[in-house]
Amino acid sequence: SQQGEEDPQALSIQEGENATMNCSYKTSINNLQWYRQNSGRGLVHLILIRSNEREKHSGRLRVTLDTSKKSSSLLITASRAADTASYFCATDAGGFQKLVFGTGTRLLVSP
Amino acid sequence: EAGVAQSPRYKIIEKRQSVAFWCNPISGHATLYWYQQILGQGPKLLIQFQNNGVVDDSQLPKDRFSAERLKGVDSTLKIQPAKLEDSAVYLCASRTYRTSGRGTQYFGPGTRLLVL
Repeated sequence: SQQGEEDPQALSIQEGENATMNCSYKTSINNLQWYRQNSGRGLVHLILIRSNEREKHSGRLRVTLDTSKKSSSLLITASRAADTASYFCATDAGGFQKLVFGTGTRLLVSP
Repeated sequence: EAGVAQSPRYKIIEKRQSVAFWCNPISGHATLYWYQQILGQGPKLLIQFQNNGVVDDSQLPKDRFSAERLKGVDSTLKIQPAKLEDSAVYLCASRTYRTSGRGTQYFGPGTRLLVL
């Protein structure tokens, strides 16, 4: 079963704009991870944030985590057409890093 | 470093037939995962191996799905007999073992299965 929901389900923006997607989950976690999936391909790990962290940056990516609200957000700044993909959050709540994925946000960045 | 390899990339079968997928993880990765991703949904874990032992198979439909990881390296996932609802992408992932809670899963390109 899915751990949580992502919002919005789909997002369409222009190049250069920022994209924000949100993830909500249900149980306590060790960490939360974001993955990208291009059409017809496997998933690529983007960033991991631990439960004791509130914000993390990696290049044009900014992730926040609010454990009290059981939610996370992924911000992509200055988006590019190449950012077009589906983005999934995944929570790790167990000892062997069993990941439970959300439903995903489909991002379309138009030139 | 070579990535996770999967084959075949595509498979079309009729319902009630059997099918097998193969995965070769990144060298040295002790943990191997099989996920099922139905169109429009996130991946769902089917089974997780630590070396050649099963860690979690709670969401594996054991009446029709089976998986093995002989010698703790390559793995195969089998469906017998297949149902229409098994149409999905089957993803394999691997990870080095960590106890600290960190550790990235590296995914293969997946096998897209269509059951007619």
